[in-house]
Amino acid sequence: GENVEQHPSTLSVQEGDSAVIKCTYSDSASNYFPWYKQELGKGPQLIIDIRSNVGEKKDQRIAVTLNKTAKHFSLHITETQPEDSAVYFCAPGAGSYQLTFGKGTKLSVIP
Amino acid sequence: DTGVSQDPRHKITKRGQNVTFRCDPISEHNRLYWYRQTLGQGPEFLTYFQNEAQLEKSRLLSDRFSAERPKGSFSTLEIQRTEQGDSAMYLCASSFPGLVDPYEQYFGPGTRLTVT
Repeated sequence: GENVEQHPSTLSVQEGDSAVIKCTYSDSASNYFPWYKQELGKGPQLIIDIRSNVGEKKDQRIAVTLNKTAKHFSLHITETQPEDSAVYFCAPGAGSYQLTFGKGTKLSVIP
Repeated sequence: DTGVSQDPRHKITKRGQNVTFRCDPISEHNRLYWYRQTLGQGPEFLTYFQNEAQLEKSRLLSDRFSAERPKGSFSTLEIQRTEQGDSAMYLCASSFPGLVDPYEQYFGPGTRLTVT
């Protein structure tokens, strides 16, 4: 099965700085690469995703980059704000249904 | 609110009791998924439905677990003879057919189960 690793497991940044979280995966058949944000007591929220035919995608302060050769993709958050504080999960997917979630990265944005 | 809804949000039960959770997907989403999340971990896939058909079950889904989606709309997840190891957040997600698999999955708020 798919082996997914996220780094770092925790990340603290000053408000306004950038944050980068990296996700490595093992299944070369993976073709879908989403990032989810989970706040305390809530379900995961899809914030950005990318498919294997695209190298980079940006949505305002959030971007995802993909390196299929090296089997990793990264979440970039610029101009961080306190409301960005949450746990972020990568969840690469292949085939018709299954997403395999990483263990999460706890991001703390210090005002 | 047109998002995925789950009921109840919290459930405390004693070991050995049966529990049932409900999930209402986003309208017109034909796929529905169940995941389990334990503290400090990411969600783990349990099973999924396309319309009323249950198409895949994880090996995590023991025979004490059963899921249904009788009319292709809402779904229920039942756990029989609960054990303390069943304590977790049970998440439901739904998706609408897109151009390419896998489709974007949208999650509900989850049901937190505590087995005492």
